[in-house]
Amino acid sequence: NAGVMQNPRHLVRRRGQEARLRCSPMKGHSHVYWYRQLPEEGLKFMVYLQKENIIDESGMPKERFSAEFPKEGPSILRIQQVVRGDSAAYFCASSHARPDGSEAFFGQGTRLTVV
Amino acid sequence: AQKITQTQPGMFVQEKEAVTLDCTYDTSDPSYGLFWYKQPSSGEMIFLIYQGSYDQQNATEGRYSLNFQKARKSANLVISASQLGDSAMYFCAMRDTTSGTYKYIFGTGTRLKVLA
Repeated sequence: NAGVMQNPRHLVRRRGQEARLRCSPMKGHSHVYWYRQLPEEGLKFMVYLQKENIIDESGMPKERFSAEFPKEGPSILRIQQVVRGDSAAYFCASSHARPDGSEAFFGQGTRLTVV
Repeated sequence: AQKITQTQPGMFVQEKEAVTLDCTYDTSDPSYGLFWYKQPSSGEMIFLIYQGSYDQQNATEGRYSLNFQKARKSANLVISASQLGDSAMYFCAMRDTTSGTYKYIFGTGTRLKVLA
């Protein structure tokens, strides 16, 4: 009963390095969402992807951040040249394609710390 | 634009009592879904309950029920017989359908503390 798998669970990067966060959706789910959560705050939408397509990236910072969901393999959230302000928990969620009635299932999150 | 509002940053409840966590939403779309998630201190997001905008009855899942008042645009979560393990952050969410992208938007959360 594999749920949404995110790795790594914890990631430490020095300023200026790249961070790559991976997300494997639940079996049968074709929609992937990435969210960022700062300490003591809610989840901020970043990007919504289907296989090989970015559907909505309205929450993604214009620079340094990118996401992909290739035909094969996990979805990747990539942060280039990380800064201290990128330190946060990054959650991936997946759902079925049909609207409204499908709850999103979340991974355990990746805690990124930039030092 | 759709919006979720949770006005209670923190709540306390005595063990075994019921508690209501407030959530109001704003949308012009007639079709939408409302969700509640629990985030314990360990950090994972746990789905609790779902209410569809066309559902005639309030959703219930065990000790969780959703008090859905469509005219008031509110979707409050009621937890009955609170347990110590219910202490967590609770997030209300709505699935955006206006733009056709179906993303989920979240409120700022309510931190619930259950007292022994």
